[in-house]
Amino acid sequence: DQQVKQNSPSLSVQEGRISILNCDYTNSMFDYFLWYKKYPAEGPTFLISISSIKDKNEDGRFTVFLNKSAKHLSLHIVPSQPGDSAVYFCAASDGGQNFVFGPGTRLSVLP
Amino acid sequence: EAQVTQNPRYLITVTGKKLTVTCSQNMNHEYMSWYRQDPGLGLRQIYYSMNVEVTDKGDVPEGYKVSRKEKRNFPLILESPSPNQTSLYFCASSLSAAGYEQYFGPGTRLTVT
Repeated sequence: DQQVKQNSPSLSVQEGRISILNCDYTNSMFDYFLWYKKYPAEGPTFLISISSIKDKNEDGRFTVFLNKSAKHLSLHIVPSQPGDSAVYFCAASDGGQNFVFGPGTRLSVLP
Repeated sequence: EAQVTQNPRYLITVTGKKLTVTCSQNMNHEYMSWYRQDPGLGLRQIYYSMNVEVTDKGDVPEGYKVSRKEKRNFPLILESPSPNQTSLYFCASSLSAAGYEQYFGPGTRLTVT
């Protein structure tokens, strides 16, 4: 059973609007969460992270929200740009050396 | 330029023929890791290493070996590849494990026939 789930395989958003990507996890020991972006034929690149002691972290157009009680986090991109079109992976760690990734959500930002 | 390099980028091989995928980083990172990416499954961790001579199994280690003789290199070894190891492989490194983002290599697409 997947410990990190991204239930939307794909998402399409109009340029300039908000993109919201969701991630759910089952392991209550996870205490650090990361989002990675991946373009075709490239390795994933780090986008933003959040520790379990926070409920929000913001970096420019990207904001991650964490709801520990619901075991849910989301990535907000505002405003969305065509260059944001990529696959987004949610990842979680229990503070140790293991990282668990979700299956990814393919975001398409339409001009 | 800070980077993680992998070689080869593409490889087609036959069942049972031993192969090694190399991974090297130039950032003096302590932590290195190997992942495989399969459709619908995301990235799954194969092995990781906290430092030289320290390696441990991830979630899907069966059929793989690794070694960490030098800090910068972390090769992935398939002693007897099988078709179910056909996948896209990524090497990654970070300053440390907990609390740090990982830098990924460009990936190695492996096909085992």
